[in-house]
Amino acid sequence: AQSVTQLDSHVSVSEGTPVLLRCNYSSSYSPSLFWYVQHPNKGLQLLLKYTSAATLVKGINGFEAEFKKSETSFHLTKPSAHMSDAAEYFCVVNTGTASKLTFGTGTRLQVTL
Amino acid sequence: DTAVSQTPKYLVTQMGNDKSIKCEQNLGHDTMYWYKQDSKKFLKIMFSYNNKELIINETVPNRFSPKSPDKAHLNLHINSLELGDSAVYFCASSHGTSGARTDTQYFGPGTRLTVL
Repeated sequence: AQSVTQLDSHVSVSEGTPVLLRCNYSSSYSPSLFWYVQHPNKGLQLLLKYTSAATLVKGINGFEAEFKKSETSFHLTKPSAHMSDAAEYFCVVNTGTASKLTFGTGTRLQVTL
Repeated sequence: DTAVSQTPKYLVTQMGNDKSIKCEQNLGHDTMYWYKQDSKKFLKIMFSYNNKELIINETVPNRFSPKSPDKAHLNLHINSLELGDSAVYFCASSHGTSGARTDTQYFGPGTRLTVL
């Protein structure tokens, strides 16, 4: 079985300050992990993914995430938030042989001036 | 040059009606999916097709019937709509022929279904 826990349902940061969105996963097998972003009334866009290569993964728009097996975590970070980063972020895991993604419950990122 | 497209974008209908949502991808992918996003933004897979063959069928009422006329299209037909069917439905596609766990899934813009 696989599951994902996003530890914060809502994160608020000031523009220009760092972003940290936390994600812990549970899986019986070596997982693939993804972060997707959903802007209001839009579809989901892939930010980055981990598939058992480098543990530090760089994505689009300055985001990156580090896979830590010992902590079963895959936290998403960005050094400096921008107003356009305000959106819903989903941590996603896939450990199965079929491409069955399991989504976390999402973290809403608010960016203030 | 939209990668994954869905029609309609909004769908408002009465309880008991039958409706369809269409999905098309021009990425040449072999696998397509339907997801449901509820009012709390939670996303859950409903179905997955690989080369027109059903490979994932989650616990979904049999009022929902996916149809894949070819590998570029996966439509979702819903019979006897209920209030609880109100949600945003997302179509997605991925490259892998065997549903590899590393495949990236590309999502459509979503269809917001409102049942009155």
